[in-house]
Amino acid sequence: DTEVTQTPKHLVMGMTNKKSLKCEQHMGHRAMYWYKQKAKKPPELMFVYSYEKLSINESVPSRFSPECPNSSLLNLHLHALQPEDSALYLCASSPAWGGEKLFFGSGTQLSVL
Amino acid sequence: AQKITQTQPGMFVQEKEAVTLDCTYDTSDPSYGLFWYKQPSSGEMIFLIYQGSYDQQNATEGRYSLNFQKARKSANLVISASQLGDSAMYFCAMREVMEYGNKLVFGAGTILRVKS
Repeated sequence: DTEVTQTPKHLVMGMTNKKSLKCEQHMGHRAMYWYKQKAKKPPELMFVYSYEKLSINESVPSRFSPECPNSSLLNLHLHALQPEDSALYLCASSPAWGGEKLFFGSGTQLSVL
Repeated sequence: AQKITQTQPGMFVQEKEAVTLDCTYDTSDPSYGLFWYKQPSSGEMIFLIYQGSYDQQNATEGRYSLNFQKARKSANLVISASQLGDSAMYFCAMREVMEYGNKLVFGAGTILRVKS
């Protein structure tokens, strides 16, 4: 299994909603990542987890809250988002942090109304 | 800080022909890595090829090859025998060394369209 699975594929939420994005991999990778990508732009790193511990937070607003319950799962909890947060959210994993060949999921297309 | 530049916003290529996507980089680190990723309209980022700064030979992966010119700081992607399925966004990326680890920095991307 060489897949990174993200759910849901599409999400529409209001600015007062609370929702979560889920990412799962079963490749035994110990580093997992969240990226944000606006249309026709490159992905921008948000968070890095290494061995289930948060290693990088790229000054992301607190309305985005990551969680790594175990080595296979990565969540991104969303609360009180703004319309400008609408984007494609990509999850990725790698065997270890520093192993820069990343395996990406197909992303969650998020629309904030 | 490292910087990646892709100067071609969009490219067209005829099916079965070769195409070169440009990428230049800037870094002061002697040790670095360069990557190319493909992103089809489905959204998934697909790893294509990797070149390490100390690698003596240009990397190749099937129809993909990386034309690495260290002195010019360029790492162009060459796709041979283009196929319709190659139509996608292509990102060049570089490993950025940070205080407590590494991260990938992506260029702006090039949209490739393959014509039949």
